[in-house]
Amino acid sequence: QVQLVQSGAEVKKPGASVKVSCKASGYNFNGYYMHWVRQAPGQGLEWMGWFNPYNGGTNYARRFQGRVTMTSDTSITTAYMELSSLRSDDTAVYYCAKSLEIFGVATLDYWGQGTLVTVYS
Amino acid sequence: QSALTQPASVSGSPGQSITISCTGTDSDVGGYNYVSWYQQYPGKAPKLMIYDVSKRPSEVSNRFSGSKFDNTASLTISELQAEDEADYYCSSFTASNTVVFGGGTKLTV
Repeated sequence: QVQLVQSGAEVKKPGASVKVSCKASGYNFNGYYMHWVRQAPGQGLEWMGWFNPYNGGTNYARRFQGRVTMTSDTSITTAYMELSSLRSDDTAVYYCAKSLEIFGVATLDYWGQGTLVTVYS
Repeated sequence: QSALTQPASVSGSPGQSITISCTGTDSDVGGYNYVSWYQQYPGKAPKLMIYDVSKRPSEVSNRFSGSKFDNTASLTISELQAEDEADYYCSSFTASNTVVFGGGTKLTV
């Protein structure tokens, strides 16, 4: 069965960086884009970008360009999302989610459990 | 890319039907048949309920259905049950090869 298991909660100071991991299993990791979505406390879902493990391709939401980097280590079927220059309003639960279709973008069918990132001084 | 527009809240009684709307633009909802709907309980990850406007994953109840007209997509839940009380989010593929979510709708049963 498909599983996405994320790394644990993080506490960071403003200006620092955070790197969240997402260990995938139960499917062909290289064939499906990995998305990252965040949710600030009491707020809605915000799409951050997608990563193509097959060729390293990315597409980031405009508001995160320059601050976010999505990568993977295919040997251990793990995706990563690094966010830099953290601000207090980056405090949120960060989710990884895989695309439904092979090399498709539109639909996110399996989600990780979420990683809480707290930014405060 | 602006978020898709959803009502903040909807409510219904057990056994009734409700519809949640999701309005976008020609560059997202209106331009592609790639609208999805997600259900989220407090403290839990979202769950895919509808994709490609009206398709339903096998494990999702047939009480959930989706449709689209022009730039507005809709999620209908029939025969409301207490367990349907949750937050619902729509999303769409966009012309920039990205995904955009709606602001979310809190369903009270």
